[in-house]
Amino acid sequence: GQQVMQIPQYQHVQEGEDFTTYCNSSTTLSNIQWYKQRPGGHPVFLIQLVKSGEVKKQKRLTFQFGEAKKNSSLHITATQTTDVGTYFCAGVSYNTDKLIFGTGTRLQVFP
Amino acid sequence: SAVISQKPSRDICQRGTSLTIQCQVDSQVTMMFWYRQQPGQSLTLIATANQGSEATYESGFVIDKFPISRPNLTFSTLTVSNMSPEDSSIYLCSVVPLYGYTFGSGTRLTVV
Repeated sequence: GQQVMQIPQYQHVQEGEDFTTYCNSSTTLSNIQWYKQRPGGHPVFLIQLVKSGEVKKQKRLTFQFGEAKKNSSLHITATQTTDVGTYFCAGVSYNTDKLIFGTGTRLQVFP
Repeated sequence: SAVISQKPSRDICQRGTSLTIQCQVDSQVTMMFWYRQQPGQSLTLIATANQGSEATYESGFVIDKFPISRPNLTFSTLTVSNMSPEDSSIYLCSVVPLYGYTFGSGTRLTVV
């Protein structure tokens, strides 16, 4: 079945450093979504990418969808302590409406 | 975006018993999804619930263990049956209103 992997599993950074998480799907995706889950919270939708090679920005966050629509990345510039949480990518394949979550990257930011 | 009310928010249950989780959406949606998140893990899709038809279960999940009801376009329930400690997880429902998935706040289940 469809698998979505993310690396790294954990990332500890000093406040002000940049952070990137990478997402890879075993199948081609119709779209990819990114979610943030704070400790003790539920996943919160951040963004959806649909087009091959698409790049979207939200303030310090940059999201990219690969040309083959099988991989994606999230880059955070100058991290802040409020960025702490687990970031999940989640993909929807062409033949189903099911959203399959990646393994997640837990980000810890030290002040 | 849609607003989902999920309850209970948490529960501690005895092994062998069952718990029913409810999700109420403030708008009509075709599909509702049920996920499980085991401690420190990602979200795993349990099943897709469509109104008026049987739920579709993912590999590793069966209807006898996780019966689902979907009586109308705004409501669904998931029952965790004959619970064991391995069922201790967070259970979340979600919908796709228009753009991105919206999740309920989750039910934190502990089986003792």
